[in-house]
Amino acid sequence: AQTVTQSQPEMSVQEAETVTLSCTYDTSESDYYLFWYKQPPSRQMILVIRQEAYKQQNATENRFSVNFQKAAKSFSLKISDSQLGDAAMYFCALYTGTASKLTFGTGTRLQVTL
Amino acid sequence: DVKVTQSSRYLVKRTGEKVFLECVQDMDHENMFWYRQDPGLGLRLIYFSYDVKMKEKGDIPEGYSVSREKKERFSLILESASTNQTSMYLCASSLMMVRHLNTEAFFGQGTRLTVV
Repeated sequence: AQTVTQSQPEMSVQEAETVTLSCTYDTSESDYYLFWYKQPPSRQMILVIRQEAYKQQNATENRFSVNFQKAAKSFSLKISDSQLGDAAMYFCALYTGTASKLTFGTGTRLQVTL
Repeated sequence: DVKVTQSSRYLVKRTGEKVFLECVQDMDHENMFWYRQDPGLGLRLIYFSYDVKMKEKGDIPEGYSVSREKKERFSLILESASTNQTSMYLCASSLMMVRHLNTEAFFGQGTRLTVV
């Protein structure tokens, strides 16, 4: 079985500040991907960032970066210089190759305030 | 541009009706997934398929079935709709996971199903 846990149902950040969203996961697979997806009010899921498990280096995409701790099975998302457009639901997801299974967490709703 | 298209954005059905939710992708992806999304519960996997005519149960398959007769189309079937199946349904597709090949899941726009 594979699981993804997001323990922060809601977070708030001021514009231009930095926020970190937490995610832990569990799998017995050695090869897997981890993702962060964003879901704005339009409901369309958008990929924010991805990390392959075999890569030691943490992924970065502009203002978004991850802290991937494989031994601890932790995968947090850091958003720097937060913008109003970052307000959305954020989902952490685990994709394991053997089973071709993609599992999501319960999500974190991010508010960005002026 | 990858496209995953769900047949309806909003749907209202009566209890006991047989309901079909259709999903089509145009990127020749092997994998397709059906999720339901409920507040506080995130996205829960109902069924997924890694090839034509192949299907695997996800975490909450009860009350649902699926069909994948063609690679591009993955249908979710509610055999006898019930009010507790009122939810947002999301379809997704992806390539098989291959090391060094960046993959991601692409999503449809969602179908909000109400069962009355």
